[in-house]
Amino acid sequence: TQLLEQSPQFLSIQEGENLTVYCNSSSVFSSLQWYRQEPGEGPVLLVTVVTGGEVKKLKRLTFQFGDARKDSSLHITAAQPGDTGLYLCAGARQFYFGTGTSLTVIP
Amino acid sequence: GAVVSQHPSWVICKSGTSVKIECRSLDFQATTMFWYRQFPKQSLMLMATSNEGSKATYEQGVEKDKFLINHASLTLSTLTVTSAHPEDSSFYICSARDKNWNQPQHFGDGTRLSIL
Repeated sequence: TQLLEQSPQFLSIQEGENLTVYCNSSSVFSSLQWYRQEPGEGPVLLVTVVTGGEVKKLKRLTFQFGDARKDSSLHITAAQPGDTGLYLCAGARQFYFGTGTSLTVIP
Repeated sequence: GAVVSQHPSWVICKSGTSVKIECRSLDFQATTMFWYRQFPKQSLMLMATSNEGSKATYEQGVEKDKFLINHASLTLSTLTVTSAHPEDSSFYICSARDKNWNQPQHFGDGTRLSIL
């Protein structure tokens, strides 16, 4: 059951550009996680957001949890080719993942 | 940190054969393991949840007789794709978590299954 819709589904940008990925749901989550996955590997946890309105920063990545805890966003500043991958959000308990955003950063 | 080992990483076999994929937790006891299926550039789709010593819980639309899951010990779960056909070709990923569900699950590196 895909309860989490991500947008955009695909994103191709030039190195140095900024981007935002969205994760939306009609359900309220006690927490939400973001993962990045590279081809042929398992997903790697980037961050967990717990409190409504919370903002967390991880170097050039900024994660925000919506006030109502139904949505989240991931903003990448000055994207680099190493940011290329599939970005996934997951709700509390992480059984179900969002629909995914495939990011390609072109050098 | 916690490590989950998945084996094999890549398997190619003929249509009609059965394939077994292993998922092992190397440094913790995995009371629950999850099996996911993933198509290229798409998200992970949960197939089933297995708890040690009990029958797996399958997601709607997943054939339990097709995808046999065994979780006989606290460190090992197996997924057997029975009588595999080309449409079963996919990337299969397992994850494991211990009894503390406040901790995130740990993922294996996946198995690329190609059925000829």
